[in-house]
Amino acid sequence: DGGITQSPKYLFRKEGQNVTLSCEQNLNHDAMYWYRQDPGQGLRLIYYSQIVNDFQKGDIAEGYSVSREKKESFPLTVTSAQKNPTAFYLCASSSLRQGLIRNEQFFGPGTRLTVL
Amino acid sequence: SQQGEEDPQALSIQEGENATMNCSYKTSINNLQWYRQNSGRGLVHLILIRSNEREKHSGRLRVTLDTSKKSSSLLITASRAADTASYFCATVPRAGNMLTFGGGTRLMVKP
Repeated sequence: DGGITQSPKYLFRKEGQNVTLSCEQNLNHDAMYWYRQDPGQGLRLIYYSQIVNDFQKGDIAEGYSVSREKKESFPLTVTSAQKNPTAFYLCASSSLRQGLIRNEQFFGPGTRLTVL
Repeated sequence: SQQGEEDPQALSIQEGENATMNCSYKTSINNLQWYRQNSGRGLVHLILIRSNEREKHSGRLRVTLDTSKKSSSLLITASRAADTASYFCATVPRAGNMLTFGGGTRLMVKP
């Protein structure tokens, strides 16, 4: 089965802790993305990567970090510097068209992070 | 910043009725995409319409694009309770590279 997976589904964090959210895809997509979604809102881009060992900041990168050591994996770390991390986090992937990120994106099921 | 803005924010209809959602955007686009999200789940891609297209169909879905008005609409015909979800438009700018999502329309279809 081809797809994109995220784990864990639910995550609880104490204030001051770093946590890492996992995202894996077996769609052979070059591009991967992390979005944050707050209740009743749309998606905001945190980070994206078009190629292994390279990534760019999105609109709300402060307090987050990522790595892209493998094509299939794009983990997101929510650091203690993120002031309001409670949210629903979505990972996505897409193929590139003419080297650009313009195609449809495939989403994972999401991770709901709650800070206690 | 959010490029696309959906209207209405919430819509409640009876099963069998048609549902129309609108999306407006600000800058010239390469393409516009519609996604669906069931509560607490990831998004699912529905349709992509390019800037040189005016209308696309997929099953019970019909999407129109009016680039002169910078707007798009998503029509779901003969709605079903299972269509209950949030629907998002997302745009790729002509000169850009990234997908930008609107705030979504929450659709409830009552059986």
